[in-house]
Amino acid sequence: KAGVTQTPRYLIKTRGQQVTLSCSPISGHRSVSWYQQTPGQGLQFLFEYFSETQRNKGNFPGRFSGRQFSNSRSEMNVSTLELGDSALYLCASSSSSARGAKLFFGSGTQLSVL
Amino acid sequence: TQLLEQSPQFLSIQEGENLTVYCNSSSVFSSLQWYRQEPGEGPVLLVTVVTGGEVKKLKRLTFQFGDARKDSSLHITAAQPGDTGLYLCAGFNNNNDMRFGAGTRLTVKP
Repeated sequence: KAGVTQTPRYLIKTRGQQVTLSCSPISGHRSVSWYQQTPGQGLQFLFEYFSETQRNKGNFPGRFSGRQFSNSRSEMNVSTLELGDSALYLCASSSSSARGAKLFFGSGTQLSVL
Repeated sequence: TQLLEQSPQFLSIQEGENLTVYCNSSSVFSSLQWYRQEPGEGPVLLVTVVTGGEVKKLKRLTFQFGDARKDSSLHITAAQPGDTGLYLCAGFNNNNDMRFGAGTRLTVKP
């Protein structure tokens, strides 16, 4: 069974630009969640989607948005990029959105904002 | 906001040594998970603990959930270079909110 696939693996953008990251979950998984990981802040929850609906949202500004398609693939968009948005963005999929459900993480997209 | 504090932040030991890392909070969690993350990869789930006082073993790794479900520990016996990585704990509250600790970065030298 293929794991969680995130594309692109690396991305370099400049301030003010926007970026879209993609995540393909494990086949059959309907829950996709996104996280931002930085050395200073650690792993922070961005949002979770289940069956195309946002179920949960972290404490990030509105510049961060996401969506999920009918095939469970998900995209995350960051508009008006800031230097502080440089981070590893991780996507995780799960077979359910139940508490404590096992999360399977992708390898992440390393975003650098110059 | 429920904060998870992990200690130590960094740990460097020799192969064969034992070690314990900790995950503490002032809040109660309904369940807690431990992950290991290797460079360039996403975290991989090691264990989920649910019951206060619960102890789970995974080969040389022993996980314990505190009686009050506010803290947890991970003990590794006879560490090996392959154990090197970032160890993250993540706690769930009753609202299904998940919070990660900042992690303990472990280096095991051959």
